[in-house]
Amino acid sequence: SQKIEQNSEALNIQEGKTATLTCNYTNYSPAYLQWYRQDPGRGPVFLLLIRENEKEKRKERLKVTFDTTLKQSLFHITASQPADSATYLCAMGYTGGFKTIFGAGTRLFVKA
Amino acid sequence: DGGITQSPKYLFRKEGQNVTLSCEQNLNHDAMYWYRQDPGQGLRLIYYSQIVNDFQKGDIAEGYSVSREKKESFPLTVTSAQKNPTAFYLCASSPKGLTSSYNSPLHFGNGTRLTVT
Repeated sequence: SQKIEQNSEALNIQEGKTATLTCNYTNYSPAYLQWYRQDPGRGPVFLLLIRENEKEKRKERLKVTFDTTLKQSLFHITASQPADSATYLCAMGYTGGFKTIFGAGTRLFVKA
Repeated sequence: DGGITQSPKYLFRKEGQNVTLSCEQNLNHDAMYWYRQDPGQGLRLIYYSQIVNDFQKGDIAEGYSVSREKKESFPLTVTSAQKNPTAFYLCASSPKGLTSSYNSPLHFGNGTRLTVT
């Protein structure tokens, strides 16, 4: 069955640096990958979507890459700020499917 | 403002009691979903509905039931048959229905934390 893995260890970085989060998947390549942000006690909020035929997607300080050879997506936050501290979830889906498969998320802490 | 409202935010029940979690959306979305979130695990799909009066089991439907009598509402009942019901429950919706794009992002409510003792 399809599986999606994110680093379970928290990522601690200094304000102003670039945070890079990793999402790896097994078996079949998904048609798309999504990234969500989740704050404690709140529901996830959608950030970015990248399709299988796209290598890179950007939105303001966010950048997502999709490498179907490595079966990996990287999520970058440039010029990170303490307000970026949250858990980031990676999710994948398939053409014609209605199920979105989520990773467990990586906690990011940005220190001032 | 359009969005998804889940209530209550915190819910406490005794073992053996059924409990119903509310989910209402005013986004005019066709599809609605229930997920369960446990520490260290990805969100797991309980039930989903693509259209009114229709719903399908997700990966962990045992011990749960749903209804979809109105487009805006998708309540989840946690029954006494659910072996480990204590968790954070998330309701979501998407425009994705029978005719919409398959890669629509999900819009989530802010969850209900259920504790069963």
